[in-house]
Amino acid sequence: NAGVTQTPKFRILKIGQSMTLQCTQDMNHNYMYWYRQDPGMGLKLIYYSVGAGITDKGEVPNGYNVSRSTTEDFPLRLELAAPSQTSVYFCASSEHVGGRVGGQPQHFGDGTRLSIL
Amino acid sequence: KQEVTQIPAALSVPEGENLVLNCSFTDSAIYNLQWFRQDPGKGLTSLLLIQSSQREQTSGRLNASLDKSSGRSTLYIAASQPGDSATYLCAVSSGANNLFFGTGTRLTVIP
Repeated sequence: NAGVTQTPKFRILKIGQSMTLQCTQDMNHNYMYWYRQDPGMGLKLIYYSVGAGITDKGEVPNGYNVSRSTTEDFPLRLELAAPSQTSVYFCASSEHVGGRVGGQPQHFGDGTRLSIL
Repeated sequence: KQEVTQIPAALSVPEGENLVLNCSFTDSAIYNLQWFRQDPGKGLTSLLLIQSSQREQTSGRLNASLDKSSGRSTLYIAASQPGDSATYLCAVSSGANNLFFGTGTRLTVIP
């Protein structure tokens, strides 16, 4: 049971390049999330999904896109990388209980460290 | 907007000491509160989740309390060990689509 797996672990991009951060979970969780963690700051929610085919914006969605074609996968796409997107990105998943985010513990991947130069 | 504050930002204690980490939040209308542990270069591990109707949760040497009306939670760690060294984050679920995180307390337990 691998839990939440994120790839790649590290990446350096040039300004204007695009890339996709991969996230997959094997716990059959309906809810999945993308967060970013900047130094000295708390995690901020970028996008989340309550099930296959359903996604919604979080607190900081600008510059990102997501899709959820399967229960297992929730990729995050950066279309035009900017220095402000240098951060550590975490994917998480949780069971669906009562329609409320945070109703069950979230399981996190180990993160993707992204630098935009 | 919900604001979550954790004090202190860093804490060093000798092994064996009992310690308390603090978390405060500005909007008491929360669904629940979670405490997480984050090791360097790793993701977050959920330690305890307290529903808004509960006052506390316990797991082994960890005890978390919640006082929703005053906007406070504490994480009590008994008989601290060097393996407890990590950053501890609290997060509140407030609204339909978000967890609001504090910036964490970095704990060092000295052997």
